[in-house]
Amino acid sequence: GAGVSQSPRYKVTKRGQDVALRCDPISGHVSLYWYRQALGQGPEFLTYFNYEAQQDKSGLPNDRFSAERPEGSISTLTIQRTEQRDSAMYRCASSLGPQGEQYFGPGTRLTVT
Amino acid sequence: KQEVTQIPAALSVPEGENLVLNCSFTDSAIYNLQWFRQDPGKGLTSLLLIQSSQREQTSGRLNASLDKSSGRSTLYIAASQPGDSATYLCAAPQWGTYKYIFGTGTRLKVLA
Repeated sequence: GAGVSQSPRYKVTKRGQDVALRCDPISGHVSLYWYRQALGQGPEFLTYFNYEAQQDKSGLPNDRFSAERPEGSISTLTIQRTEQRDSAMYRCASSLGPQGEQYFGPGTRLTVT
Repeated sequence: KQEVTQIPAALSVPEGENLVLNCSFTDSAIYNLQWFRQDPGKGLTSLLLIQSSQREQTSGRLNASLDKSSGRSTLYIAASQPGDSATYLCAAPQWGTYKYIFGTGTRLKVLA
């Protein structure tokens, strides 16, 4: 079946604007993760969902970042009042269950100008 | 707090060599550890997931081992090929959470 998809693949926005990044997990996967990856680094955990419940948001950098997964499937990561330091690759992963193998989407490259 | 370290940061080997990539973690109370491959400018591809109850996991020319007591995992690649050139990342969860901590990776180059 289809893998994890993310949209948009590339997003350029002006400082101060809000952006919404979408993740569509593999069908049937109850666990969903958001990560941020800087060049030359491993992914950095942002938040974790089990079904629609956001069970861990300890990695969200500040209150400008939020995420939701209202129906336990598609998830949206929203960044309000974007800043240049928010520029990064944002990656989403899903797994069948909480301790399962994670499958990553292609990522969204966010550039804040 | 879980910390994950990968050594070496970069490795260059001739084609055909067997090689070992290392991953160390500080919090040994993990329920699993996962290895990924990342090609330049691309996404992450899952290679192997080792559960805490397992000591080894194999997929083709890849073999991953897990020693929780010493806080180490190794990824063994047999008969390396130029197509194996990529960055290899390991990830382990922080105790009591589903928060996965990634290492910074080992950048592998296999020379033809």
